[in-house]
Amino acid sequence: EVQLVESGGGLVQPGGSLRLSCAASGFIFSSYWMTWVRQAPGKGLEWVANIQEDGSAKFYVDSVKGRFTISRDNAKNSLYLQMNSLRAEDTAVYYCASLSCINRCSKVYFQQWGLGTLVTVSS
Amino acid sequence: DIQMTQSPSSLSASVGDRVTITCRASQGISDYLGWFQQKPGKAPKSLIYAASILQSGVPSRFSGSGSGTDFTLTITSLQPEDSATYYCQQYNSYPLTFGGGTKVEIK
Repeated sequence: EVQLVESGGGLVQPGGSLRLSCAASGFIFSSYWMTWVRQAPGKGLEWVANIQEDGSAKFYVDSVKGRFTISRDNAKNSLYLQMNSLRAEDTAVYYCASLSCINRCSKVYFQQWGLGTLVTVSS
Repeated sequence: DIQMTQSPSSLSASVGDRVTITCRASQGISDYLGWFQQKPGKAPKSLIYAASILQSGVPSRFSGSGSGTDFTLTITSLQPEDSATYYCQQYNSYPLTFGGGTKVEIK
């Protein structure tokens, strides 16, 4: 059974940092692109970042570029999101999800989702 | 960026009804579209990819159609467990973008 379990969320002050983790099991983690998606309280879904199977390619939404870094450790079946210079508008539940490739991975679509971890940025 | 517009934003229907949700992309995205279901307090669940292909385990009462800019999600016989918010999402180009969601309630 595929499982994605996020951790690392919590309360952080504006300007602070936080590192989210996503532990994967039940599938060959190193063969899949992975992603982070967030959802502000009462709002819709917002894509944050994608990472290729071997970590060589990364994509970000403009609002987090230069502040957030997506990474992975395939030996540990783990995905990470390092979040720096946090702002109040980063407050959200953060979900990790696995992606499947088509067209030689020029397109990737969502498959399994984790349960999410809440990040609150407030003084 | 490609904008995804869903309509309606909410609807109320009876068990057994046929329900249709539409999603419009601000530019052509071929069939690079997914649909998701999210119940209150829960993580999203992937329903459909490539506009019309059901993810494993998704009931056959769900179906998707469309290509280019206009897409639909149809629930042929609404069930109580289908009460949720539904989102479309394009993966034609970065940044990946979601529609604003359609809340489906059971009368």
